[in-house]
Amino acid sequence: SQQGEEDPQALSIQEGENATMNCSYKTSINNLQWYRQNSGRGLVHLILIRSNEREKHSGRLRVTLDTSKKSSSLLITASRAADTASYFCATDADRGSTLGRLYFGRGTQLTVWP
Amino acid sequence: DGGITQSPKYLFRKEGQNVTLSCEQNLNHDAMYWYRQDPGQGLRLIYYSQIVNDFQKGDIAEGYSVSREKKESFPLTVTSAQKNPTAFYLCASSMGTGRRRNTEAFFGQGTRLTVV
Repeated sequence: SQQGEEDPQALSIQEGENATMNCSYKTSINNLQWYRQNSGRGLVHLILIRSNEREKHSGRLRVTLDTSKKSSSLLITASRAADTASYFCATDADRGSTLGRLYFGRGTQLTVWP
Repeated sequence: DGGITQSPKYLFRKEGQNVTLSCEQNLNHDAMYWYRQDPGQGLRLIYYSQIVNDFQKGDIAEGYSVSREKKESFPLTVTSAQKNPTAFYLCASSMGTGRRRNTEAFFGQGTRLTVV
């Protein structure tokens, strides 16, 4: 399977702390994306990092990508209660992939306590 | 507003009954996707379409059918052959083809289907 796998499955922190989630995948990729899902809602795209990039920032989000280890991390700095959600990584596949499809992991459930 | 709309939000189905979930997008996206999400699970791909009048099976297509008669619309029918249809269904779209493939996906708000 080319599915990404997030780690940890669940993360519970206090407001103001940083939250780090990791994603590992199995095959070479063109890009890796992170999505957020509030309970009972659709997914919202957060950030995309290409295979030739090592780090990317967007507001309080920082994503790193290590293609040699086939892994990525998502760091949310200064967490807020509103950051409580599930976070998913999604990968494409570099070669032989079905055009445009993404492979999702099971997600990390982040809970931020006030 | 541009976006992707799923309806209904909640759907109840009797056993043996077919039901159709609607998905419409006005983003002018070529690619559309249907995913199924079960508690504690990731998203599993049911069907996808890269262009009008063409679609492909995903990983769990059995018991489902789709059509893509218009670029904007990609309805999913859950048939009586689907033995365990209770789940949260998500539709997504993306620019999807050629050099613009593997760009971000836009998701609808989901349909929660329950068999009663």
